[in-house]
Amino acid sequence: DQQVKQNSPSLSVQEGRISILNCDYTNSMFDYFLWYKKYPAEGPTFLISISSIKDKNEDGRFTVFLNKSAKHLSLHIVPSQPGDSAVYFCAADSIQGAQKLVFGQGTRLTINP
Amino acid sequence: DTAVSQTPKYLVTQMGNDKSIKCEQNLGHDTMYWYKQDSKKFLKIMFSYNNKELIINETVPNRFSPKSPDKAHLNLHINSLELGDSAVYFCASSQSEGRHEQYFGPGTRLTVT
Repeated sequence: DQQVKQNSPSLSVQEGRISILNCDYTNSMFDYFLWYKKYPAEGPTFLISISSIKDKNEDGRFTVFLNKSAKHLSLHIVPSQPGDSAVYFCAADSIQGAQKLVFGQGTRLTINP
Repeated sequence: DTAVSQTPKYLVTQMGNDKSIKCEQNLGHDTMYWYKQDSKKFLKIMFSYNNKELIINETVPNRFSPKSPDKAHLNLHINSLELGDSAVYFCASSQSEGRHEQYFGPGTRLTVT
């Protein structure tokens, strides 16, 4: 049973525009969410996180929004840059999970010049 | 300086062999993890160790045995390798207190023939 889902396997965005990556989860015990970015042949790199007590967290060009009632979160990247082309993973954790991150299957973002 | 390193990066071996993957982190973290990314690109946790003690063991076959000689190292030994073990294995580390992001190594691509 897949508890964290990223339903878009790929996304293509023009440079300078906004990229919006989506993630849905089913487990209501999840209370901490993270986004990771992954380049080919490298490990995932942490981007940004959000606790369930917040509905928004911003770090430079990256903003994560959390809608607890819909069990949905999104990552906004603005403006999108060519270096943002990568696979983005959403991950979730619960206090009972003891830092056992549950990952979505990833969305491949391509930024076109 | 590499924060989380893994060796080897690539490992090709035959069914039935025993192999090990080494992981080291120089971040001063006291929790380390092993994840498996299968052919469908799902990243799933296998084990976590905190201060050399096993914390998470996610229904992984007994052929997989993690070993933590100290809190900076978490090695993964696999006995009697099977075709289905082919995957990319990622090591990660994090602080244990509070909610913290995990830092990933570059991955080891294991191919069993």
